[in-house]
Amino acid sequence: QKEVEQDPGPLSVPEGAIVSLNCTYSNSAFQYFMWYRQYSRKGPELLMYTYSSGNKEDGRFTAQVDKSSKYISLFIRDSQPSDSATYLCAMSSTTSGTYKYIFGTGTRLKVLA
Amino acid sequence: EAQVTQNPRYLITVTGKKLTVTCSQNMNHEYMSWYRQDPGLGLRQIYYSMNVEVTDKGDVPEGYKVSRKEKRNFPLILESPSPNQTSLYFCASSGGHQPQHFGDGTRLSIL
Repeated sequence: QKEVEQDPGPLSVPEGAIVSLNCTYSNSAFQYFMWYRQYSRKGPELLMYTYSSGNKEDGRFTAQVDKSSKYISLFIRDSQPSDSATYLCAMSSTTSGTYKYIFGTGTRLKVLA
Repeated sequence: EAQVTQNPRYLITVTGKKLTVTCSQNMNHEYMSWYRQDPGLGLRQIYYSMNVEVTDKGDVPEGYKVSRKEKRNFPLILESPSPNQTSLYFCASSGGHQPQHFGDGTRLSIL
């Protein structure tokens, strides 16, 4: 079983829709949870960053972490064609003084005008 | 502007010819790492460095070497590249246990 599972999509939605992206994980030691957006031919760009369980909102983006269910989500409100990209979830923990980062395989999102 | 810079962005080369991909960051970050990204497999960590002269293996280190002689630079070395190392490579850095900042990638093709 992979440490992080993420549906690869592709996910196609009409402009203005609410998008829900999700990841599940198996390692309860993960403390930090991130969402990155990756456009074609570019590196991943940090969108959201949360510590432990709860919600965090930034503009049209909301990140949710449920540590009891080992489940994280990213919601995009009023989606725009410019949101079309691959979204990667990521998690990290500290082990023996080193940092471990694990990434999901990414979900491709297409927002249709 | 805070950034992670990788060079070259694209490289086509042949089996066995040693190559180096450079990575430099201007954020004074302690932590730097290298990933490869392959379809269906996502980002997999090759090597990481907690600070100058401190490096360690990630999940897929075979066939790669790194060094960290200065805080800002973390080159990736392929001493004898093989076709299975054809991939998209990313360098990343972070200040302590923080989210990583990524470069724009190096697309490497080994024939």
